[in-house]
Formats: sequence, structure tokens, C-alpha cells
Amino acid sequence: ELKVEQNPLFLSMQEGKNYTIYCNYSTTSDRLYWYRQDPGKSLESLFVLLSNGAVKQEGRLMASLDTKARLSTLHITAAVHDLSATYFCAVDISGGSNYKLTFGKGTLLTVNP
Amino acid sequence: DVKVTQSSRYLVKRTGEKVFLECVQDMDHENMFWYRQDPGLGLRLIYFSYDVKMKEKGDIPEGYSVSREKKERFSLILESASTNQTSMYLCASSTGLETQYFGPGTRLLVL
Repeated sequence: ELKVEQNPLFLSMQEGKNYTIYCNYSTTSDRLYWYRQDPGKSLESLFVLLSNGAVKQEGRLMASLDTKARLSTLHITAAVHDLSATYFCAVDISGGSNYKLTFGKGTLLTVNP
Repeated sequence: DVKVTQSSRYLVKRTGEKVFLECVQDMDHENMFWYRQDPGLGLRLIYFSYDVKMKEKGDIPEGYSVSREKKERFSLILESASTNQTSMYLCASSTGLETQYFGPGTRLLVL
């Protein structure tokens, strides 16, 4: 059974600081997705990582994938209040057969002034 | 832009009622998914469909059924609603390796 674990589950940080959210998974996969969810809202896609060594950046967020270590990171640079949200990683182990995703429990990020 | 819509944002039902949640996507996606989201448990997959009239159980299918008669529409059915089915229900669609696109969600309260 695939397990997807995010660390930390809760993260409170100050504006301007850097931090990393980790996503570990238990079964071989080279497809990993990051999503953002604002309170009371649905999920919004952030990054799609489809190969070992993939790195994607958007603004203050950068995501990477190490398939050998079964690890993805979401790095936050110089956090701002607008980044406060819950961040989910999700893994596809279907091998392209049905694109079913297994989600981590999410990391609630709060950025304080 | 991909658009995934869900029939209701909020729904209140009584125990034992049959409940229909509808999801429609406008991008001709083959794959559609139903999740429920509960605090501390993240998103859990209930059912998914990779083609019209095709369906597969997800991780928590008990108490639910689905219907996909047309490519753009995927319905989740609670045959006899129970209080433990109070939750946020999210529909999503995708094609190939692209990300899943999520609808706005339906917050269901079963009394």
C-alpha cells in the first residue's frame, strides 16, 4: 500500500524566512504533484514533476523530485503572508494506467508578519 | 481554462436519504475522480472513472456508488446517507499525465 507522508504537518513562519516542506512516499514513482488549498476553497495545481531530478519554480516556490530517494521538496523563499495555505503533495503509482493519485495529509503553512 | 463544476456548494440531508452529487467538466477529460476531505485525514479517493460507463473503487468506496453515463458528467451517489458521511466532497478530472483539476467542492451535512 502506498504511503505518502508530509513533514511538517503544521508550519508557522515569519515573513522573509525560507523553509522546506518534505514529501516522502513508499513505492516507486516518477510522477508527483503539488497542490495548494486556501481555507474554504478547493485545490489548485502548483507543480507537476514527471521525472527524476525535475525542478519547477513559480515565484517564491520551488519544487523538486528525487525518485531514488522517493522524496519531493517544496521550498519557500522569503515567505510572504499570501503564501499562507495548506499544501498537498500527491503521488501517482499507476504507471500511466489510470492516473490515480494518493495524497499526503497536507502541510498547513501560516506566514506571520 | 479547465472548468469543473459541482451541483451544490452546500447540502443538508437527513439520515437515510438518497443523495446525488453531480460533477461536470468541460475539457473532454477521460479521467474523473471523487474524493472526500476530512480534517486530519487529507483527501481520500472514493471512486474514479477512466472512461464512460467505467468505474473503479478507490480507497473508501463503502456506502457510495457512482455513475458515468456521459464523458463530461460523473455522479456520486450516497444510497442511504449516514452521519459519518458528513464531509467535504471534491470532484476532479484529468487527462493523461496532466494535473487533476478540482471543482469547488460540496460541503455535505447529514443530520
